Amino acid sequence: SSELTQDPTVSVALGQTVRITCQGDSLRNYYASWYQQKPGQAPLLVIYGKNNRPSGIPDRFSGSSSGNTASLTITGAQAEDEADYYCTSRDSSGNLLEVFGTGTKVTVL
Amino acid sequence: QLQLQESGPGLVKPSETLSLTCTVSGGSISSSRYYWGWIRQPPGKGLEWIGNIYYRGSTYSNPSLKSRVTISVDTSKNQFSLRLNSVTAADTAVYYCARYYYESGSNWFDPWGQGTLVTVSS
Repeated sequence: SSELTQDPTVSVALGQTVRITCQGDSLRNYYASWYQQKPGQAPLLVIYGKNNRPSGIPDRFSGSSSGNTASLTITGAQAEDEADYYCTSRDSSGNLLEVFGTGTKVTVL
Repeated sequence: QLQLQESGPGLVKPSETLSLTCTVSGGSISSSRYYWGWIRQPPGKGLEWIGNIYYRGSTYSNPSLKSRVTISVDTSKNQFSLRLNSVTAADTAVYYCARYYYESGSNWFDPWGQGTLVTVSS
């Protein structure tokens, strides 16, 4: 199986840019999807595929990938972006197995 | 708008079987485009994928849970279900169901149910 590693915590000043990274071997072959989770709520998809946002997700959220690292960037962070963020990807075995990242707590200062 | 709703007992005794159902509304579970998945989150911890099922019954499960997990689908009721046997306190978590989409090189869960807390305790 695969592992996806994220920094546990990241902070960003209001209005500034923050990048959240996700590292794992499977990311060389598969794009990550990204989820935002606020306390007491279910996760919400914010980025999928190469760099796609579901309807209703602000365009300050963007995704990118290079080698074994996927990134979620929030450009102009808002107070409401304070949340936990998780990446996920298919297992590097090629089977339809999923693995979630360890999660990153984003604090907006 | 597609919605998913988890249901089942909130309390399960150790060594017994956890059983949950996810009811899909606003769309058909028999769509050829999607799988349907279960994910859980222990209190204060991260997300863990449990498994996915296709409407025709093919399943994929987390290797760490595979021996204890059964996922099934009932297309007549637009539902899919999770059974996890021989539970321990470590299985205490919020359990989510979600629709899963995959294509070459990409996959995601959307939308998600609101989640249901299952506590394993005597």
